[in-house]
Amino acid sequence: AQRVTQPEKLLSVFKGAPVELKCNYSYSGSPELFWYVQYSRQRLQLLLRHISRESIKGFTADLNKGETSFHLKKPFAQEEDSAMYYCALIGTNTDKLIFGTGTRLQVFP
Amino acid sequence: KAGVTQTPRYLIKTRGQQVTLSCSPISGHRSVSWYQQTPGQGLQFLFEYFSETQRNKGNFPGRFSGRQFSNSRSEMNVSTLELGDSALYLCASSLVPPYEQYFGPGTRLTVT
Repeated sequence: AQRVTQPEKLLSVFKGAPVELKCNYSYSGSPELFWYVQYSRQRLQLLLRHISRESIKGFTADLNKGETSFHLKKPFAQEEDSAMYYCALIGTNTDKLIFGTGTRLQVFP
Repeated sequence: KAGVTQTPRYLIKTRGQQVTLSCSPISGHRSVSWYQQTPGQGLQFLFEYFSETQRNKGNFPGRFSGRQFSNSRSEMNVSTLELGDSALYLCASSLVPPYEQYFGPGTRLTVT
């Protein structure tokens, strides 16, 4: 079954601390993995995708096919990073995004 | 470029009624997908349209239907509304699957 698991509903850190939001997936094939972010009162937006291998707003995510994980990391959290983060996967030849349940990141000053 | 727009933004309906939600994708985008967002179930895929054809459908009852027009605009319809249909309905568009999906602000449906 296709599934995305985000084990933490809430992650609270202090400004400047490292952040790791966990994401594990199950999919029979080679999915494409994404992280979406939803800031307060804003629409859902793409943060990064694994094929881009880029760093956005200091965040990176590495696809580990052996562990079927796609954890989101940032070495030094900022208060403006506080938001809801969703891990998602997409299969081949489809736009069907399968989302995890989301992790709310709170960064305290 | 204008972003994805959804109308109406808010809607209150009573049980048993039907509702139609509209989504206008980004100009040039041919793929439109719909999602339901609730506190309990999170974000769940409803259906996906590409060039007026439904390509994928999620696990929702037949009361949920949709369509896409030749200008890529899409509508979704929910008939015989139930209290559990109260949710934020999100529309997303992309150029061609599986490129980046851009989300609209959503339509918040409340069923009383």
